[in-house]
Amino acid sequence: DTGVSQDPRHKITKRGQNVTFRCDPISEHNRLYWYRQTLGQGPEFLTYFQNEAQLEKSRLLSDRFSAERPKGSFSTLEIQRTEQGDSAMYLCASSLAGQGAPEAFFGQGTRLTVV
Amino acid sequence: AQSVTQLGSHVSVSEGALVLLRCNYSSSVPPYLFWYVQYPNQGLQLLLKYTSAATLVKGINGFEAEFKKSETSFHLTKPSAHMRDAAEYFCATTLSGFGNEKLTFGTGTRLTIIP
Repeated sequence: DTGVSQDPRHKITKRGQNVTFRCDPISEHNRLYWYRQTLGQGPEFLTYFQNEAQLEKSRLLSDRFSAERPKGSFSTLEIQRTEQGDSAMYLCASSLAGQGAPEAFFGQGTRLTVV
Repeated sequence: AQSVTQLGSHVSVSEGALVLLRCNYSSSVPPYLFWYVQYPNQGLQLLLKYTSAATLVKGINGFEAEFKKSETSFHLTKPSAHMRDAAEYFCATTLSGFGNEKLTFGTGTRLTIIP
């Protein structure tokens, strides 16, 4: 297994367009997280899944954002009607629940630029 | 709610000198604490984690951190800096045994190594 992979690595889109990002976690990991990182800041939690169930969403996740993990494996994060403020690095992480202290493995991220 | 504060957004040290990156935590219950490193345009890599098993935690790449409850600190150190240590470092926390294990990050410290 090569770790958490995210696609695409970079995305430039015009304001108002919809974008979708994909995350493939480490195969045996049952938890999957999405974080957003803006320039000069640490990552901020957006949402997480345990298997296919989305169990928590941050208040940062407006109605324009939706995430899915349909079969408990890969996940998608969609942003509708993008705004310039959505420009950020979107990071996906996965971990195995019930292993004591969590060890989250991060993907390389998708950098979104809204022009 | 738990949080971490990183003191110093930028730290510069000479190659071969001691590296000290500061992190203070705030938590009403025993936390898990982590240090992550991020290289440019990359995801985050776990350096080390504190889980209450030992107050001095050794990580990868020669880094270590000491949990000091009396000072609510978890500072990251390395005896001798290498050029390859130049990166952004994030302290993070999550509550132990409280469900989703989402991480709360500090704002990061950019480490520059002077040749």
